[in-house]
Amino acid sequence: SQTIHQWPATLVQPVGSPLSLECTVEGTSNPNLYWYRQAAGRGLQLLFYSVGIGQISSEVPQNLSASRPQDRQFILSSKKLLLSDSGFYLCAWNPGGDSPLHFGNGTRLTVT
Amino acid sequence: QKEVEQNSGPLSVPEGAIASLNCTYSDRGSQSFFWYRQYSGKSPELIMSIYSNGDKEDGRFTAQLNKASQYVSLLIRDSQPSDSATYLCAVTGTASKLTFGTGTRLQVTL
Repeated sequence: SQTIHQWPATLVQPVGSPLSLECTVEGTSNPNLYWYRQAAGRGLQLLFYSVGIGQISSEVPQNLSASRPQDRQFILSSKKLLLSDSGFYLCAWNPGGDSPLHFGNGTRLTVT
Repeated sequence: QKEVEQNSGPLSVPEGAIASLNCTYSDRGSQSFFWYRQYSGKSPELIMSIYSNGDKEDGRFTAQLNKASQYVSLLIRDSQPSDSATYLCAVTGTASKLTFGTGTRLQVTL
């Protein structure tokens, strides 16, 4: 069966520091991968998605970037965090088409 | 107009009652519809998928889809306190892009 791993679970970072969140999927190949952010009391905002290695689509221009160095690895990064980057970051995957998304456990990021 | 709309709630129902959660969407070409449950501080968990008009039942959950009226609903029978969570409606539009509503918070009271 497929599993998705996301780490770390929680992170407290000062403003201006870098960020790296990692997500890996097991038990499938060539998944579509997604990064979402959920601000407190808000809906899910799609940040990036990828349909293959090195293929990244950005939904919302902001202080973040994403990379997919391997088929089942998706990384969310920032060079300098802003206070507004605080939130609950979720990695998700699906096999493509109209399949539902399956989410990792999420990373709660607090920028101080 | 939001692409996927849900009443934010909270929707309060007594234990054992039926909870009815509703969602409307704007893209008439939408083909896939999903309900997720999200407990506070946790990630969303898929509970129902529905692709064609009508009802789909899975245990205590029933999803209902009406494409002509552009709404999808979720019924939870015999509601339990453990059902207290936020329920997210998600719709795949014509560009195969999955769009989420902001969720309805359900409270099941003893």
